[in-house]
Amino acid sequence: DTGVSQDPRHKITKRGQNVTFRCDPISEHNRLYWYRQTLGQGPEFLTYFQNEAQLEKSRLLSDRFSAERPKGSFSTLEIQRTEQGDSAMYLCASSKRGEQYFGPGTRLTVT
Amino acid sequence: RKEVEQDPGPFNVPEGATVAFNCTYSNSASQSFFWYRQDCRKEPKLLMSVYSSGNEDGRFTAQLNRASQYISLLIRDSKLSDSATYLCVVNPSSGSARQLTFGSGTQLTVLP
Repeated sequence: DTGVSQDPRHKITKRGQNVTFRCDPISEHNRLYWYRQTLGQGPEFLTYFQNEAQLEKSRLLSDRFSAERPKGSFSTLEIQRTEQGDSAMYLCASSKRGEQYFGPGTRLTVT
Repeated sequence: RKEVEQDPGPFNVPEGATVAFNCTYSNSASQSFFWYRQDCRKEPKLLMSVYSSGNEDGRFTAQLNRASQYISLLIRDSKLSDSATYLCVVNPSSGSARQLTFGSGTQLTVLP
């Protein structure tokens, strides 16, 4: 499968715990994006990487959120001290120049 | 006001019907426009880009009215497999980063 992959697909955690998600983009794609989607809403942009450089961050990305793409390939999104409001689907997308291809997402439930 | 607004539906239509979805966007400087399709509990997938001249792909026709900041999607001869949520998507940036802004989606159910 040469599409965008995300791991884990589901994560249940208790409030206050830290979680980390991984995204593996399509191999020749230099651009990588993170979005968050809650029920009944469209995806909301969180952050964008071009190669290893994080070029844009949404105001939605509070200090508890950090994303990295250390070698310009896979990316990680970490949420520290999770809150119930962090429960959502976290989607990763990658692109070369045009169309963004989305991964299957990581569904986070904070109890 | 939301940057991209859509009628959430749901739209329930019989097979073979024609259905139209509308979308408005607030940023007049927006550069590019798309319709994405999202099946239940799946990731969004690009359905089609939307061009100023209007474009058609089989049973799907998309139109853009920049003056009114309005985008539409028309589905003709709807199939059961068209049942999904349709997301109106705008790229508000004129820079190189293609940060997409999504509407909340319009839910379509095609009934047998």
